[in-house]
Amino acid sequence: GENVEQHPSTLSVQEGDSAVIKCTYSDSASNYFPWYKQELGKGPQLIIDIRSNVGEKKDQRIAVTLNKTAKHFSLHITETQPEDSAVYFCAASIGGSQGNLIFGKGTKLSVKP
Amino acid sequence: DTAVSQTPKYLVTQMGNDKSIKCEQNLGHDTMYWYKQDSKKFLKIMFSYNNKELIINETVPNRFSPKSPDKAHLNLHINSLELGDSAVYFCASSQEQGHDEQFFGPGTRLTVL
Repeated sequence: GENVEQHPSTLSVQEGDSAVIKCTYSDSASNYFPWYKQELGKGPQLIIDIRSNVGEKKDQRIAVTLNKTAKHFSLHITETQPEDSAVYFCAASIGGSQGNLIFGKGTKLSVKP
Repeated sequence: DTAVSQTPKYLVTQMGNDKSIKCEQNLGHDTMYWYKQDSKKFLKIMFSYNNKELIINETVPNRFSPKSPDKAHLNLHINSLELGDSAVYFCASSQEQGHDEQFFGPGTRLTVL
């Protein structure tokens, strides 16, 4: 079946450093790629998304890049802060207009002050 | 003005019991979902409903039965609970199926003893 691979599973950085999380997907028809942040005890929340007609998108300290040929996309967080510590999930759409999202297995990011 | 709400937040019960989790969204969305997040944080789709109609039913045991009385509600009923059902269950909603931002509820932590 279709799947999304996410790496690394854990990532520890010093405050102020950059963090990069990478995902690959298998369905060549996927055209929507969101990233979610899940804080402890809460539901996932969308932080940024990108569609297949765009190669890069940026929102303040967060950016996402998409390489459709290679079927991979990445999340970049610059100038990390302790409040960025959370579990991050990538996802890819599958199944066309009646489809859904497949989520990666998550990356636990720890930002040390 | 909570967007997606779930009740209860915690549910502790004995094996073999039947229980329900309720979900409501006030965003006016057409699509609602149930996800299961296991102890390793893997997020997996269980069901999705679009305008009260079942769209996705992943390989979930038929002990799980979703019910959508109207577009704003998607409840999850579980019969004959098993130890392996212990997890956090998230309800979510989106305007469109599969290719749109999903708004997650706060989750219901189910513990089966």
